Amino acid sequence: AQRVTQPEKLLSVFKGAPVELKCNYSYSGSPELFWYVQYSRQRLQLLLRHISRESIKGFTADLNKGETSFHLKKPFAQEEDSAMYYCALRPSGGATNKLIFGTGTLLAVQP
Amino acid sequence: EADIYQTPRYLVIGTGKKITLECSQTMGHDKMYWYQQDPGMELHLIHYSYGVNSTEKGDLSSESTVSRIRTEHFPLTLESARPSHTSQYLCASSESGTAGTQYFGPGTRLTVL
Repeated sequence: AQRVTQPEKLLSVFKGAPVELKCNYSYSGSPELFWYVQYSRQRLQLLLRHISRESIKGFTADLNKGETSFHLKKPFAQEEDSAMYYCALRPSGGATNKLIFGTGTLLAVQP
Repeated sequence: EADIYQTPRYLVIGTGKKITLECSQTMGHDKMYWYQQDPGMELHLIHYSYGVNSTEKGDLSSESTVSRIRTEHFPLTLESARPSHTSQYLCASSESGTAGTQYFGPGTRLTVL
């Protein structure tokens, strides 16, 4: 079954501390993985995708096929990083471009 | 400005009413999607469309229906609303092809009393 698991509903860190938002997936093929973010009173938007292998707003995520994980990391959290983060998987080979989402992790960065 | 719009943003309605949630995009995208999200839960795909006159049901069974008569417009209809339909409904669109990023609208929060 295709599934995305985000084990933490809430992650609270202090400003300047490292952040790691966990994401594990279940999929037999080669998926595409994404992180979407929703800031307060804003809409859901793409943060980064694994195929781009880029750093956005200081965040990076590496696809680990052996551990079926796609954890989101940032070395030094900022207060403006506080938001809801969703990990998502797109099955390969499908024409729909559909996404399978995790339940999300609320990141709270304390001053 | 290219964007994706949803109206209404909030809707409180009584059981048995027919409702239509509007979604329009000026992104020029062919593909459009409806997701349903209950509080604290993941987004579930309930409908998608490849283009005009093309609609398919998503992974989560839904009593709602959709239509795609115009490229830019993808409304969702509930013929008879029930409290179990209370949820947030998110509309999204993407370019053709499997590599297109999905862009989301602001959502409609529906409450059925």
